[in-house]
Amino acid sequence: DVKVTQSSRYLVKRTGEKVFLECVQDMDHENMFWYRQDPGLGLRLIYFSYDVKMKEKGDIPEGYSVSREKKERFSLILESASTNQTSMYLCASSTGPPNEKLFFGSGTQLSVL
Amino acid sequence: AQRVTQPEKLLSVFKGAPVELKCNYSYSGSPELFWYVQYSRQRLQLLLRHISRESIKGFTADLNKGETSFHLKKPFAQEEDSAMYYCALNRGSGNTPLVFGKGTRLSVIA
Repeated sequence: DVKVTQSSRYLVKRTGEKVFLECVQDMDHENMFWYRQDPGLGLRLIYFSYDVKMKEKGDIPEGYSVSREKKERFSLILESASTNQTSMYLCASSTGPPNEKLFFGSGTQLSVL
Repeated sequence: AQRVTQPEKLLSVFKGAPVELKCNYSYSGSPELFWYVQYSRQRLQLLLRHISRESIKGFTADLNKGETSFHLKKPFAQEEDSAMYYCALNRGSGNTPLVFGKGTRLSVIA
């Protein structure tokens, strides 16, 4: 079974801190994604990657960057955390195309104070 | 632009009653649609896809291109169906990310 592992379940950071959210998948999937999940807003795509060292902006990339140095690892970076980035962050991977079946991590609940 | 609309934030039904979770989409091409589900304290996971025309856990969904809808239905709700449900659209051909609706929380009351 595919395993997508997010390094932290809960994180509390201060405004202005640089934050790293890590995601690792163990099934050699080419595609990896970062979404944020907010009540009433659903899932919104932040960034995605279809290959090592490749990245594409999603629908809400402002304030975020990503890194994919190895196929299995996709990191989300908040350069200077702000309170409006308090959210649940979900990492997902898939083998594609097409991107039908996404495998999600258990999520990281980030609170920025 | 591609868009998925789930008009209900919360849907409450009694156990044994029929369930219909609504999903409408906006897409000019040939759509591929999916339902994802997140049970309490579990990961978001794929429930079903319209291409497969399958029934999973008693749920079915039919793509209606005329009404641009992909409603999720179950004839008799169970308490274990209580979860967050997301409708998703493949926003293009090839390797493109899914776009999700805002989700509907289903609560099945005993």
